[in-house]
Amino acid sequence: ILNVEQSPQSLHVQEGDSTNFTCSFPSSNFYALHWYRWETAKSPEALFVMTLNGDEKKKGRISATLNTKEGYSYLYIKGSQPEDSATYLCAFPGAQKLVFGQGTRLTINP
Amino acid sequence: GAVVSQHPSRVICKSGTSVKIECRSLDFQATTMFWYRQFPKQSLMLMATSNEGSKATYEQGVEKDKFLINHASLTLSTLTVTSAHPEDSSFYICSAITGGLSYEQYFGPGTRLTVT
Repeated sequence: ILNVEQSPQSLHVQEGDSTNFTCSFPSSNFYALHWYRWETAKSPEALFVMTLNGDEKKKGRISATLNTKEGYSYLYIKGSQPEDSATYLCAFPGAQKLVFGQGTRLTINP
Repeated sequence: GAVVSQHPSRVICKSGTSVKIECRSLDFQATTMFWYRQFPKQSLMLMATSNEGSKATYEQGVEKDKFLINHASLTLSTLTVTSAHPEDSSFYICSAITGGLSYEQYFGPGTRLTVT
């Protein structure tokens, strides 16, 4: 059974502060690692699909790094804004499907 | 970007009736569609994988006779909740991919089902 773990489960950050959270996944048979942002009452939105060890991707104030050898990825948000409040999901492909972590629920306090 | 629609967005039905939820890829052909369910305060739980023209692959613990999936074309998959019970009340969301799992999934907006 594939185990994809995210930590922390929830996070409260002051507006303007930077933050990061973790996704851990099996390091063997790595294929890809997905990050999604899921805002309340909306569809999950793809942020990044990462495939290469050491890769770093960036979209605006959000960036992600990948370490396939040790099986983790970090998602960073620089200068948090209220609109960053959402659940951030990572997902790992396995057996013809994506296995999702439980998510990190991020709340930005104004 | 690719757009996936779901219909209806909300549905209330009586216990014992059946409800059909449609998932459409509007501007691309989806090789595979997935159906997820979200339990309160939990993440997405994969229910089944749907490939056009073949039987859906159900996850362990998901009753295939209760949650009927039909994938009639490369742009449409339907989920029918048969003989609905209040415990089936949930948020159902579909997604579609254009290629393999190294490609991002495009999610529909979800359907809130309430069974009374």
